[in-house]
Amino acid sequence: RKEVEQDPGPFNVPEGATVAFNCTYSNSASQSFFWYRQDCRKEPKLLMSVYSSGNEDGRFTAQLNRASQYISLLIRDSKLSDSATYLCVVGSNDYKLSFGAGTTVTVRA
Amino acid sequence: SQTIHQWPATLVQPVGSPLSLECTVEGTSNPNLYWYRQAAGRGLQLLFYSVGIGQISSEVPQNLSASRPQDRQFILSSKKLLLSDSGFYLCAWTRSGGNEKLFFGSGTQLSVL
Repeated sequence: RKEVEQDPGPFNVPEGATVAFNCTYSNSASQSFFWYRQDCRKEPKLLMSVYSSGNEDGRFTAQLNRASQYISLLIRDSKLSDSATYLCVVGSNDYKLSFGAGTTVTVRA
Repeated sequence: SQTIHQWPATLVQPVGSPLSLECTVEGTSNPNLYWYRQAAGRGLQLLFYSVGIGQISSEVPQNLSASRPQDRQFILSSKKLLLSDSGFYLCAWTRSGGNEKLFFGSGTQLSVL
């Protein structure tokens, strides 16, 4: 079983729509959780950290469910510029962070 | 502020040739350093990480090696490239300690022909 699994998508949504997707992780001892955004042929960039109580950054909301071992990302009022691959990243009590393969989101006009 | 530099941006190399990719971090000390590889349409694969000068941990056995000659310098090398070494190579750093955010360099697109 992979350490971090994501639905690859693609999620094809119209502008203004809400899109949400999850990421599951296998290590129950995981302690840090992040969402990264990666554009084609570019480096991943930190979108937001995910906290136990859930957190929001503008149109983006992240949730953590430790009991079921998943994190989620919700994007409200989608913009064309939100089209990208979203990477789920999970860290345990060592120096390594595990990446999901990414969820592709395409926002159409 | 901290910055990470990685070069070159693109590289085309023949099979069997050597490789050297360099990465440096500025504005911080004693960072954890990482090399990842991303094959086309795939996720990131951790190749090496280092928590200090001269300390290298290898995650995947292969014909690549890494070195950390200075605190903020991380080098990825190969003596003889294979076709399967083609991919997008990313250097990254975090603050020392675990569970920290990763910050990536701009990547090197390597094509082995």
